[in-house]
Amino acid sequence: AQSVAQPEDQVNVAEGNPLTVKCTYSVSGNPYLFWYVQYPNRGLQFLLKYITGDNLVKGSYGFEAEFNKSQTSFHLKKPSALVSDSALYFCAVRDDEENTGFQKLVFGTGTRLLVSP
Amino acid sequence: DAGVIQSPRHEVTEMGQEVTLRCKPISGHDYLFWYRQTMMRGLELLIYFNNNVPIDDSGMPEDRFSAKMPNASFSTLKIQPSEPRDSAVYFCASSTPRGRGRTGELFFGEGSRLTVL
Repeated sequence: AQSVAQPEDQVNVAEGNPLTVKCTYSVSGNPYLFWYVQYPNRGLQFLLKYITGDNLVKGSYGFEAEFNKSQTSFHLKKPSALVSDSALYFCAVRDDEENTGFQKLVFGTGTRLLVSP
Repeated sequence: DAGVIQSPRHEVTEMGQEVTLRCKPISGHDYLFWYRQTMMRGLELLIYFNNNVPIDDSGMPEDRFSAKMPNASFSTLKIQPSEPRDSAVYFCASSTPRGRGRTGELFFGEGSRLTVL
């Protein structure tokens, strides 16, 4: 069964510093990996995805994520954090095994990012 | 596109009352998902539909919960009778399937915050 882990409940970073939010996954086939962001009292918004190709994926709001197959990781990064980046971030995975129909998207437990001025 | 539309945004009710949450997916999306978000359990998939047909309802917690999708543009999640432990934010999401150049990321509504007293 597919699963995803976000080992940190909260990440604290000062504005202007680089940030990393960690995610590791487990699948049987090839992974489809996603990052979503949730601002207070809002729904989840899609940030970026990895399907195939370059291991470094660029997404919305200056975020990027690096796919590492050997470490089964898909960490979210940003070179310079903004206070407005403070939110809840979810990693999600879908198993790319074919011939089994639509696969459910499995979400991690979320990591709260707090960027201080 | 208006995105996924959910109503009501907030619902406060008393234990034992019936609650109906509504969702309008993005036009053309043929998958619809209902999720529940709580502090204790995070984001849980309750049920999902494909072409208006329920595919997997294994996440529905009890028989008190039911979901329908009478047509491609409307779905309901009903709780009858409601209990305080049902208090949560309920999200609807829609998606297109993998293949045909699409990778199946989910588009979420803003959620319905339910409080059962």
